[in-house]
Amino acid sequence: DAGVTQSPTHLIKTRGQHVTLRCSPISGHKSVSWYQQVLGQGPQFIFQYYEKEERGRGNFPDRFSARQFPNYSSELNVNALLLGDSALYLCASSFGQGALGYTFGSGTRLTVV
Amino acid sequence: KNQVEQSPQSLIILEGKNCTLQCNYTVSPFSNLRWYKQDTGRGPVSLTIMTFSENTKSNGRYTATLDADTKQSSLHITASQLSDSASYICVVSARTAGNKLTFGGGTRVLVKP
Repeated sequence: DAGVTQSPTHLIKTRGQHVTLRCSPISGHKSVSWYQQVLGQGPQFIFQYYEKEERGRGNFPDRFSARQFPNYSSELNVNALLLGDSALYLCASSFGQGALGYTFGSGTRLTVV
Repeated sequence: KNQVEQSPQSLIILEGKNCTLQCNYTVSPFSNLRWYKQDTGRGPVSLTIMTFSENTKSNGRYTATLDADTKQSSLHITASQLSDSASYICVVSARTAGNKLTFGGGTRVLVKP
């Protein structure tokens, strides 16, 4: 059974561009959360989606947006990229909104130049 | 404000030796505490999950303890191996809608031969 899959694994973008990151949860998991992890720091919560609805939002600007599809996969979009957006973006899935069993994907490494 | 503090920030140990990592938290109301191992550039992998009623849990050479009264947890690594070189992240979940996760900054462990 596949774990949480994220794509792409690595990405280089220029300041001002837009980026879309993708996440496929474990089969049967209905909740997807997105995290940003700057090098050397712990992950910071960006969004949580459950049953295709936004259930939580972290302290990130409106340039960050996300959505969840009927098959429970999710996209994270970031507009007008800044150098400070360079980070590892992690997706975690769980069965329910408040489930114990969070499983993380391997992440997407975004570099903004 | 919910916070998770980890110490030390980093440590170097010799292969075969033991070490203990610390985690203090102020998350309330407490739901569960997890320890994750994160290899560089990869997503976190769960080592242990403990709820309020559990005060110790083992996963191979990893043993986690929890003192819910003092809001402290530790992760003990026994007979360290080179593959234990990674960041270890303490994550605490609040018993609120969505069981939001609060991450510590991690402890970077380097095991030397």
